[in-house]
Amino acid sequence: DIQMTQSPASLAASVGETVTITCRASENIYYSLAWYQQKQGKSPQLLIYNANSLEDGVPSRFSGSGSGTQYSMKINSMQPEDTATYFCKQAYDVPWTFGGGTKLEIK
Amino acid sequence: QIQLVQSGPELKKPGETVKISCKASGYTFTDYSMHWVKQAPGKGLKWMGWINTETGEPTYADDFKGRFAFSLETSASTAYLQINNLKNEDTATYFCARGATARRGYAMDYWGQGTSVTVSS
Repeated sequence: DIQMTQSPASLAASVGETVTITCRASENIYYSLAWYQQKQGKSPQLLIYNANSLEDGVPSRFSGSGSGTQYSMKINSMQPEDTATYFCKQAYDVPWTFGGGTKLEIK
Repeated sequence: QIQLVQSGPELKKPGETVKISCKASGYTFTDYSMHWVKQAPGKGLKWMGWINTETGEPTYADDFKGRFAFSLETSASTAYLQINNLKNEDTATYFCARGATARRGYAMDYWGQGTSVTVSS
């Protein structure tokens, strides 16, 4: 199975700050990487697919990048509504696997 | 609008069976795969597998082979997850999620609201 190592596990950021979350895959996943946001008590929502494509309706302050085994998601100018847990997920090989999650809070 | 609506919370005893439904609307059901994801209390997300909504063929992650079964009622645009011989460790919220196309990296683009299953004697 492809292991997804996500960091940091938790993070506190001030409003307006830039936030970066990273995911490292145990092998090359060829851009088959998605990012999801899960707010407390809610279902996950797709933010980014194919490593760097923004899902319709997602604010442009979210962006994704990376290749090979290393990927990251950036939030430019953190907003209070961005408080959530974020997960990466690879869909290159079965079983699809998620990162452990990053809990992002407002400082 | 596209929606996945899941059945309500379940409280079961060990050894019992639970069947969760996921009713899709707003799109052609058989055009997209359906996936199932487990989230244990306070934990992360675990992909359980998926079902081909055209053929009904399920694919299970290794940890979900044996007691778990995906099925469809295509005429009702509904997918089901059945868990047999429930164990305490099956206590979790279970999500269904639509699988997007290859062009969109097979991402899960729409999710149900989740169904909480509690297994307790």
